[in-house]
Amino acid sequence: SYELTQPPSVSVSPGQTARITCSGDALPKQYAYWYQQKPGQAPVLVIYKDSERPSGIPERFSGSSSGTTVTLTISGVQAEDEADYYCQSADSSGTYLVFGGGTKLTVL
Amino acid sequence: QITLKESGPTLVKPTQTLTLTCTFSGFSLSTSGVGVGWIRQPPGKALEWLALIYWNDDKRYSPSLKSRLTITKDTSKNQVVLTMTNMDPVDTATYYCAHVEPAGTPNFDYWGQGTLVTVSS
Repeated sequence: SYELTQPPSVSVSPGQTARITCSGDALPKQYAYWYQQKPGQAPVLVIYKDSERPSGIPERFSGSSSGTTVTLTISGVQAEDEADYYCQSADSSGTYLVFGGGTKLTVL
Repeated sequence: QITLKESGPTLVKPTQTLTLTCTFSGFSLSTSGVGVGWIRQPPGKALEWLALIYWNDDKRYSPSLKSRLTITKDTSKNQVVLTMTNMDPVDTATYYCAHVEPAGTPNFDYWGQGTLVTVSS
């Protein structure tokens, strides 16, 4: 079955830049989406179609794509950005959806 | 304003069938391209996509759970129902329903609050 691979954890100090990667063979064919999930809350979409930002999401959140890897970048990390982040995409046919294993972002 | 809310039992016994209902507002499942999906999250673990249904009754299921899942819609009631058979303690999770954004790769732009389902005898 198709899988997306994320690092389990990323740690940064406030004000620094955090980069979270997501790798999958079908990413050149399918868009990637990023969700932020804080404890006890439902996920929130923070990036769609690889690099687009929904209204209401701070400009410090950005996304990029290169080959089989997509990257979520948080510039000038704030304490409130501490959360779990999940990438999501689909298999090459677009039929089956998949989430990455999640990355816990810790703000030191 | 799009909102979704999950409802169903909080506790089911092993081997029983789970039935969850997603009641939504702010959109119609008769609108071209629109869909509703189900996602679950075991305590402390990652999100897992389960199923989705589109406005035209096209249904998609996670390959690993396909034999146990059924998703249906009632457009007149603005509801989507997910049934999962033969429940097991490993199915203990928070179950979310979400609006499927109609363009591009299927994705979830609005989520319900989730409902915790515990499987235990």
